[in-house]
Amino acid sequence: QQPVQSPQAVILREGEDAVINCSSSKALYSVHWYRQKHGEAPVFLMILLKGGEQKGHEKISASFNEKKQQSSLYLTASQLSYSGTYFCGTPRAYNFNKFYFGSGTKLNVKP
Amino acid sequence: SQTIHQWPATLVQPVGSPLSLECTVEGTSNPNLYWYRQAAGRGLQLLFYSVGIGQISSEVPQNLSASRPQDRQFILSSKKLLLSDSGFYLCAWRETSGRTNTGELFFGEGSRLTVL
Repeated sequence: QQPVQSPQAVILREGEDAVINCSSSKALYSVHWYRQKHGEAPVFLMILLKGGEQKGHEKISASFNEKKQQSSLYLTASQLSYSGTYFCGTPRAYNFNKFYFGSGTKLNVKP
Repeated sequence: SQTIHQWPATLVQPVGSPLSLECTVEGTSNPNLYWYRQAAGRGLQLLFYSVGIGQISSEVPQNLSASRPQDRQFILSSKKLLLSDSGFYLCAWRETSGRTNTGELFFGEGSRLTVL
């Protein structure tokens, strides 16, 4: 039921790029991406609804593959402020009221 | 605008004691409400969700319970806390989805529970 995220953790230097993946064995109806700073609540980044969709948010963008079984979050030219834990989330098929998150990817951007 | 409040922000409780966490939402009506738990360094585990007053769906068998006595109030309770109940509890709301699934989740500030 829960999507699978990889990698579990990433350490970057400022200016480097990172990719976080979120996958499922079954087609996802939509994928949400959230970022959680240490000790804080998660904050919504973006949602992808359609297969093949790509969406950007400043230097953070995401894609949703054609089969809607995988989404990737791209962080380019990372900044210190990008540090945190990134979660993908998805409503359950046939019951959109249920909402599950992946296990999270901890991103640490160093100077 | 919509807001969500959660309290208390932090609490330390002995094993076997009761628990009550409260969450209220303002500026919207008939939202979906959620309780998630996050153990230290871990992901977000869905505990309960509610689509309306008095309607509670439980995801994981445990010694916790939830109630929704009013449209925009969601309460998480326990009669006897366990050590394993420690964690960061997050309340969230979402526009009523029905046949749609585009609504993002908005989270409260969280309640950090330590059971000793």
